[in-house]
Amino acid sequence: GQNIDQPTEMTATEGAIVQINCTYQTSGFNGLFWYQQHAGEAPTFLSYNVLDGLEEKGRFSSFLSRSKGYSYLLLKELQMKDSASYLCAVRDIGEDSSYKLIFGSGTRLLVRP
Amino acid sequence: DTAVSQTPKYLVTQMGNDKSIKCEQNLGHDTMYWYKQDSKKFLKIMFSYNNKELIINETVPNRFSPKSPDKAHLNLHINSLELGDSAVYFCASSQGGGALNEQFFGPGTRLTVL
Repeated sequence: GQNIDQPTEMTATEGAIVQINCTYQTSGFNGLFWYQQHAGEAPTFLSYNVLDGLEEKGRFSSFLSRSKGYSYLLLKELQMKDSASYLCAVRDIGEDSSYKLIFGSGTRLLVRP
Repeated sequence: DTAVSQTPKYLVTQMGNDKSIKCEQNLGHDTMYWYKQDSKKFLKIMFSYNNKELIINETVPNRFSPKSPDKAHLNLHINSLELGDSAVYFCASSQGGGALNEQFFGPGTRLTVL
């Protein structure tokens, strides 16, 4: 079956570093995405990993280990505007060769002063 | 210069009614999607169209019927609305359903069924 797990909520302090973990089980893994979603808004793309290792993009980095079915999103130098939900999504290839994104329930991050 | 737009943003209606949500993208993408985000914030794929052809049709009641008049538009029609249809519906687009490119999401339509 398909399953994506991430913590429901996290709290961190402005200026700190926070790591949001995601574990997944899918039958046809073809990449992992992280999206940011502010309350009442659309998800916006943050990062994409298809090979093992770390992808860095400014204050945000994402790591993938395919053998462990594990990813994390690392946010550095936290700002108040980083308070949002962070969605882990796995691209899965179906039996009919179609690609679809399977989302986790999201981690709500609260950044405090 | 909105990339993916949806109308309406809010939709409040009675059970049993029929309603439509429209989506348009000006990114030149060839693949469009409809997602449903429920109260627990799970974002779940419903349909995907590539060049006006249906390529993903998840287990969705056939009261939901997507229609793609051209590759820049993907509309969603819902018949006989039920209370459980209340959710936020997001349209998205990407270049290539199987490509590496990310999906761009519209602002969402919050549907409330009374």
